[in-house]
Amino acid sequence: IVLTQSPGTLSLSPGERAILSCRASQSLSDDSLAWYQQKPGQAPRLLIYAASYRATGIPDRFSGSGSGTNFALTISRLEAEDFAVYYCQQYGGSPPYTFGQGTKLELK
Amino acid sequence: EVRLLESGGGLVQPGGSLRLTCEASGFSFRTYVMNWVRQAPGKGLEWVSSISGGGDDTNFADSVQGRFTISRDNSKNKLYLQMNSLRVEDTAVYYCARPVWDFYGDHPFDFWGQGTLVAVSS
Repeated sequence: IVLTQSPGTLSLSPGERAILSCRASQSLSDDSLAWYQQKPGQAPRLLIYAASYRATGIPDRFSGSGSGTNFALTISRLEAEDFAVYYCQQYGGSPPYTFGQGTKLELK
Repeated sequence: EVRLLESGGGLVQPGGSLRLTCEASGFSFRTYVMNWVRQAPGKGLEWVSSISGGGDDTNFADSVQGRFTISRDNSKNKLYLQMNSLRVEDTAVYYCARPVWDFYGDHPFDFWGQGTLVAVSS
């Protein structure tokens, strides 16, 4: 399964809303789609699993949506700490657990 | 507190071998599938391999199949990745990662180590 993320780079200001897209080449079983945030020099951090469930400790400004082949991560009001690279990952069925190529969220 | 600590990275020539270790603590290691994920410099994430809790079921990305092996020692809470016939394109930070749950099925990864850098170059 190939995951395609868009846009490649998103330039926004604090307080704005960010919408990141992830499209799968085939329908994901049980909406087995996760979103991760990665900052420079750090390991990825799980934000969302099963397309729409927030991981432990994740602020409610992060939300996930979608099903089948089209998914989105929305950050309702950007804070300075949210500027990072975001990856989607499919983990359904069996390995390989593919990742998207990433979307860089940068400060405008 | 869950902790994953990778070690064993370094500089190796093409065709060489290296063994990575991930030492786990703070959870029941033997009950969790464990994974290796890598990230080439300035690039995205690539899942590499997984191993079941008992060590009897393994999976590999096509890019490393036949060259890498994964194993674990549950008595020592350690995960290993033996990398043979290394190529320049294997250069990456290698992370070990634990899934959210230990029950049967496929799950996302909620705990990651800090990574260890493998550089393949002549």
